[in-house]
Amino acid sequence: DQQVKQNSPSLSVQEGRISILNCDYTNSMFDYFLWYKKYPAEGPTFLISISSIKDKNEDGRFTVFLNKSAKHLSLHIVPSQPGDSAVYFCAASEGGYNQGGKLIFGQGTELSVKP
Amino acid sequence: GEEVAQTPKHLVRGEGQKAKLYCAPIKGHSYVFWYQQVLKNEFKFLISFQNENVFDETGMPKERFSAKCLPNSPCSLEIQATKLEDSAVYFCASSHKRAGGLGYTFGSGTRLTVV
Repeated sequence: DQQVKQNSPSLSVQEGRISILNCDYTNSMFDYFLWYKKYPAEGPTFLISISSIKDKNEDGRFTVFLNKSAKHLSLHIVPSQPGDSAVYFCAASEGGYNQGGKLIFGQGTELSVKP
Repeated sequence: GEEVAQTPKHLVRGEGQKAKLYCAPIKGHSYVFWYQQVLKNEFKFLISFQNENVFDETGMPKERFSAKCLPNSPCSLEIQATKLEDSAVYFCASSHKRAGGLGYTFGSGTRLTVV
């Protein structure tokens, strides 16, 4: 039962253009959503998060949008740079003190930004 | 230190052998999480600790997997009688707080290959 889904295994964009990575989820109890970036042979690094009570969070070139009614979130990277080339994972957390911070991850989208 | 140190980086075991993986969390972080990533796919939650106490072990295959976090020692994940399907990269993360994956720092992972 895949609670967090990233349906696009890969995405290729031109440097300077917008990259849009998508993520869908099924569990309405998720209250935090996060995006991680991963390079080969390294652990994931935190990129940006959004609380379920918000619909947008922005940090520099990265913006995450949350559409709760559609159970969909997206990560926008503008402008895209070659150094953004990596695998991006969407993750969700079911909150509450007793949930322990466990994350449910999507399958990842490999972004390739071409110069 | 400011990184989560996982050892060894690579581990090869014959089917049926024991495998033991180690994770030194960031000093001052009370929470430790283990995740399994098979074939570059999503990260599957295994177990979490608050200090030396198991907090959530709902993801652990209980028959062959065990984990500990003892005071003044690296945390460990042990697999008895490894199977081919245990081949994966095992990631450890630590956090100073429990909620929602915020403040997680991941290690670089241990790649376990069962032959």
